[in-house]
Amino acid sequence: GESVGLHLPTLSVQEGDNSIINCAYSNSASDYFIWYKQESGKGPQFIIDIRSNMDKRQGQRVTVLLNKTVKHLSLQIAATQPGDSAVYFCAESNAGGTSYGKLTFGQGTILTVHP
Amino acid sequence: DGGITQSPKYLFRKEGQNVTLSCEQNLNHDAMYWYRQDPGQGLRLIYYSQIVNDFQKGDIAEGYSVSREKKESFPLTVTSAQKNPTAFYLCASTPGGSYEQYFGPGTRLTVT
Repeated sequence: GESVGLHLPTLSVQEGDNSIINCAYSNSASDYFIWYKQESGKGPQFIIDIRSNMDKRQGQRVTVLLNKTVKHLSLQIAATQPGDSAVYFCAESNAGGTSYGKLTFGQGTILTVHP
Repeated sequence: DGGITQSPKYLFRKEGQNVTLSCEQNLNHDAMYWYRQDPGQGLRLIYYSQIVNDFQKGDIAEGYSVSREKKESFPLTVTSAQKNPTAFYLCASTPGGSYEQYFGPGTRLTVT
């Protein structure tokens, strides 16, 4: 898994397997979390987000789980495909009353999907 | 097409020269951001702007400058004072009241 400030971890899976990418965050006041996918040489793309009043949110083939007790976030990708190979970043935000939340990004996890 | 454009995609400069990276958005977003990304690293915030004619320093603003004269434009100047300017630069924007940031395709700057 990844944590803000640590080296980039990697995850290798076979096509069709489920993938779980982990992220630990440090700011207990963070109230919004987001996952991005970044392909080589491109800008990050939004995958899914979750607010701190939820512990689970599902999208298409993706699920984000939030455990505020241990300050842990995970991204689950079902039936992983070669096109899912990318770097995945988690980010957190604490609006603190501001309108536009600044995001603090984790270091990222490299996901490699083997056919 | 609505989106964020950054130009150029690749930029080469000699050490000691200032260089300006372009970021334009036609999404009518209020806030805009500049990030720097180094190989194998996450994104680090350089500057951000919530409204026109106003901007704030991020975590690594030294050696950079920005302007926000128009809502759709947020250019970043990498000055000669930036000690390690070679990096991948990403621009993002956010609609009012939202946390989700929309990213441009990035500019890879190489300074030799």
